[in-house]
Amino acid sequence: NAGVTQTPKFRILKIGQSMTLQCTQDMNHNYMYWYRQDPGMGLKLIYYSVGAGITDKGEVPNGYNVSRSTTEDFPLRLELAAPSQTSVYFCASSYQQKYNEQFFGPGTRLTVL
Amino acid sequence: AQSVSQHNHHVILSEAASLELGCNYSYGGTVNLFWYVQYPGQHLQLLLKYFSGDPLVKGIKGFEAEFIKSKFSFNLRKPSVQWSDTAEYFCAVNSALNYGGSQGNLIFGKGTKLSVKP
Repeated sequence: NAGVTQTPKFRILKIGQSMTLQCTQDMNHNYMYWYRQDPGMGLKLIYYSVGAGITDKGEVPNGYNVSRSTTEDFPLRLELAAPSQTSVYFCASSYQQKYNEQFFGPGTRLTVL
Repeated sequence: AQSVSQHNHHVILSEAASLELGCNYSYGGTVNLFWYVQYPGQHLQLLLKYFSGDPLVKGIKGFEAEFIKSKFSFNLRKPSVQWSDTAEYFCAVNSALNYGGSQGNLIFGKGTKLSVKP
């Protein structure tokens, strides 16, 4: 099992550019999550999904979009990159919400200049 | 709304010292509690979790945590730290009763950086 994989590992964007952060899990988990991690701020939930075709906003969704066409994949889209989106992005998955042990990917470090 | 407070931003210890990291949450209902660890340059990994039962939970690498319901606390402890414990530690909580919506999602504290001097 590869677990949760994310690509790319690093990316530098110019203001206004767009990009998609990829996330794939091979554990057949129903729930998937996108977080951003900023120094001293912990993890903030951007979007989450409870299954293929179902997504919902988290705490900080502005400037991002997601889709979930398959159980395995949960890409995060940045349409118009802004410096405030400079962060480390983590994807996570869990089998169920109740006991919600989440498995995290290695992260994508994004810089917007 | 739920929130999680980790009062120590940065803790510096010498090897073999004892560790206690504080975690308090604000939520009146039944909760699930977690501690995650993030080693430098790596992703978050689960250290231990509490769902119900014995309030003293043992995790990996000699860590344990005690759930004190009356204090809304879930403090992490280790009797003797090692240099390899240098990492950032995150407490997280979610509602144990409300599922299918945002209350089932984890709320993370801001993290505590632990630096262990060899």
